[in-house]
Amino acid sequence: SQLAEENSWALSVHEGESVTVNCSYKTSITALQWYRQKSGKGPAQLILIRSNEREKRNGRLRATLDTSSQSSSLSITATRCEDTAVYFCATDAHSAGNKLTFGIGTRVLVRP
Amino acid sequence: AQTIHQWPVAEIKAVGSPLSLGCTIKGKSSPNLYWYWQATGGTLQQLFYSITVGQVESVVQLNLSASRPKDDQFILSTEKLLLSHSGFYLCAWSLDEEQYFGPGTRLTVL
Repeated sequence: SQLAEENSWALSVHEGESVTVNCSYKTSITALQWYRQKSGKGPAQLILIRSNEREKRNGRLRATLDTSSQSSSLSITATRCEDTAVYFCATDAHSAGNKLTFGIGTRVLVRP
Repeated sequence: AQTIHQWPVAEIKAVGSPLSLGCTIKGKSSPNLYWYWQATGGTLQQLFYSITVGQVESVVQLNLSASRPKDDQFILSTEKLLLSHSGFYLCAWSLDEEQYFGPGTRLTVL
């Protein structure tokens, strides 16, 4: 079965600094997604990176994917207090229904 | 614009009592629908998914059941709650890879 997991429980940075969240997974995937969940809310997708892509950007966000090591990273530059959230990676399988397997999440705290 | 609504916002229920949580999606035709459970501080565990009306697939058995009586409605229920059912229940929809989550229902079982 597939397992997606982030490599750190929690990270803390000061506003304006950069932060990187890492994720590893097992088995092959068609795509990997990064989601952000703020306290008490549902998650929202940040970036989707396909298995044939190595890097994807979305504003201050940059995701990388290394299928040989089955790992991905999400970097946030020029962090803001509103970036404080739990960040999940999620992987799909070659299956019907677009089922996703979410990692355990990394809590990112951006301090003023 | 698409909207996803979950009800109730929060529930406090007794062990052994029944439960019904609802989810409606407006503005999208025939989406894939999902139920997730999230323990406090935990990851999202997919419970059920549905590709079409009347068809629901179980991903994890937690003494819960789900139904899709209409194209835009997804129901999660159980006849007898357990303490372990406490948590945050999220409904989501998708047409492709990205899933769009609702605001969630906070369930506390005492």
